Amino acid sequence: GENVEQHPSTLSVQEGDSAVIKCTYSDSASNYFPWYKQELGKRPQLIIDIRSNVGEKKDQRIAVTLNKTAKHFSLHITETQPEDSAVYFCATWTTSGTYKYIFGTGTRLKVLA
Amino acid sequence: EAQVTQNPRYLITVTGKKLTVTCSQNMNHEYMSWYRQDPGLGLRQIYYSMNVEVTDKGDVPEGYKVSRKEKRNFPLILESPSPNQTSLYFCASTRTAAGTGGNEQYFGPGTRLTVT
Repeated sequence: GENVEQHPSTLSVQEGDSAVIKCTYSDSASNYFPWYKQELGKRPQLIIDIRSNVGEKKDQRIAVTLNKTAKHFSLHITETQPEDSAVYFCATWTTSGTYKYIFGTGTRLKVLA
Repeated sequence: EAQVTQNPRYLITVTGKKLTVTCSQNMNHEYMSWYRQDPGLGLRQIYYSMNVEVTDKGDVPEGYKVSRKEKRNFPLILESPSPNQTSLYFCASTRTAAGTGGNEQYFGPGTRLTVT
């Protein structure tokens, strides 16, 4: 079945450095790729998303890139701050016979002050 | 205020005792779904609903039931809970409709279920 692989599972960076999280998907019919941030004890919240007709999207310190040919997309956080510490999930929206969101297994990001 | 609500937020129960977790959204969204979150496994979809009276299995539907009698409500039913259903559950909704691209999902606050 369809799946999304996410790496790394944990990531520690120094404050001010950049962080990159990568996801690979299997369903070529996927056309929407969101990233969610989940702080401890809270619900996941969307931080950025990209559609399949766009290669890159940026929102202040956060950017997402999509390579449809290779079927992978990445989250880039620049100038990291302690409040960026959280678990980040990538996801895809698949339309192959069903209409489902498939999530990666998450990356725990720690920003060290 | 646009929101997704879930109840209860915390529940401790015993094996075999039927329970229902309610979910409601006030955004007139077509698509609703239930996820369970377990350490190291991310968010796994249990069931989803494209619209009223239309539901379908996600990746981990065994042991769960759902219904969608009204657009705003999507309850999750555990007919005979077992310890392996101990987890954190999230309901979510989005304006996504069949045949269209995905859209942002709005998550409820979560329900932490413990089955002993």
